[in-house]
Amino acid sequence: AQSVAQPEDQVNVAEGNPLTVKCTYSVSGNPYLFWYVQYPNRGLQFLLKYITGDNLVKGSYGFEAEFNKSQTSFHLKKPSALVSDSALYFCAVRGANTGFQKLVFGTGTRLLVSP
Amino acid sequence: DTGVSQDPRHKITKRGQNVTFRCDPISEHNRLYWYRQTLGQGPEFLTYFQNEAQLEKSRLLSDRFSAERPKGSFSTLEIQRTEQGDSAMYLCASRTTRDGYTDTQYFGPGTRLTVL
Repeated sequence: AQSVAQPEDQVNVAEGNPLTVKCTYSVSGNPYLFWYVQYPNRGLQFLLKYITGDNLVKGSYGFEAEFNKSQTSFHLKKPSALVSDSALYFCAVRGANTGFQKLVFGTGTRLLVSP
Repeated sequence: DTGVSQDPRHKITKRGQNVTFRCDPISEHNRLYWYRQTLGQGPEFLTYFQNEAQLEKSRLLSDRFSAERPKGSFSTLEIQRTEQGDSAMYLCASRTTRDGYTDTQYFGPGTRLTVL
């Protein structure tokens, strides 16, 4: 079975400081990993994904994520946080096996960036 | 705007009524997905279509739920005899399989259902 854990309900960071939002996963075989962001009363907006290749993935709005196979982690990072980054962030996984089509999401981490 | 669209954005209904939601995917996306998101949780998979064929349904999709994609373009999700536990955000997503590395599901804004 596929699963995602986001151990922190909320992450607080001051504007200009680096941020990390943690994600660990469990899946049979190779994973496809995704980060989405959700603003209030909105759908999910795609940030970045890991399919194959370099373990460091760069995405939208200056975000990046590092895939670590041995630790089964895919943490989201940004070198310098903005107040406008405050939102709900979801990590999701899908098995690379074509038999798996659905995304399995974590419970989300609320990021709060203070001025 | 060429993104995924959903209609309505909000729906308030009384328990026992039927409701229907519509999703228009990104043009030429052959896969369409429905998810449900309750407060404080991540989205949970309900069902998906490849063109007009419904290929997988979650156990969350009770007999009161039905989804269609009759012409392989837009999709509808109907809930019959709504219950208060159906209150949630219903999200639609689409993707193409024509580029093997794309694999990204793009989400619509969602339909928020409130059952009184």
